[in-house]
Amino acid sequence: EAGVAQSPRYKIIEKRQSVAFWCNPISGHATLYWYQQILGQGPKLLIQFQNNGVVDDSQLPKDRFSAERLKGVDSTLKIQPAKLEDSAVYLCASSFSGGVSTDTQYFGPGTRLTVL
Amino acid sequence: DAKTTQPNSMESNEEEPVHLPCNHSTISGTDYIHWYRQLPSQGPEYVIHGLTSNVNNRMASLAIAEDRKSSTLILHRATLRDAAVYYCIPRGSNYKLTFGKGTLLTVNP
Repeated sequence: EAGVAQSPRYKIIEKRQSVAFWCNPISGHATLYWYQQILGQGPKLLIQFQNNGVVDDSQLPKDRFSAERLKGVDSTLKIQPAKLEDSAVYLCASSFSGGVSTDTQYFGPGTRLTVL
Repeated sequence: DAKTTQPNSMESNEEEPVHLPCNHSTISGTDYIHWYRQLPSQGPEYVIHGLTSNVNNRMASLAIAEDRKSSTLILHRATLRDAAVYYCIPRGSNYKLTFGKGTLLTVNP
């Protein structure tokens, strides 16, 4: 089965510019996650969708970050305007249900963002 | 979320067993213990999970202490492809995966 797809794989922008990342989850997975991984740290959850509704966005910096999951399938994460500290790998993951402790999350390869 | 303690790094030789420890003394009785790993330049991937009894799958074994305050991920014969960061994650009632810094495993040929 196809895995989680993300694009682009790499992006370099100047600070104060905007950027968008795209994610296509595994077919049939109801739950989609966006994580931020700063170099040397583990991934940090930014936002979780259940179908096309937001379940948890408590760690999303809403003044500059936004995300949507129209039609409950693919998703876009946007940063506007970007700051230097946003340099990180942005990971998308999906899972079948999301509401159980045994649910497995499947991760995409990530998008490496560099803000200059 | 339960706090975890893992070694920052470990080394192993190829084809030897590896035991990766994790302390999670504040784990609650219903938290599953999940292990994920992250190979270089890739997203994390699921390895194994368990609640109380030991678990085996094609990738690894998970040994859980009787008091559940610690667990050990066992790779029976390490290969170069097992070099990765290994994350131990107690998963609670909010179902979140909260990643720490994990253990960087180096496998020597």
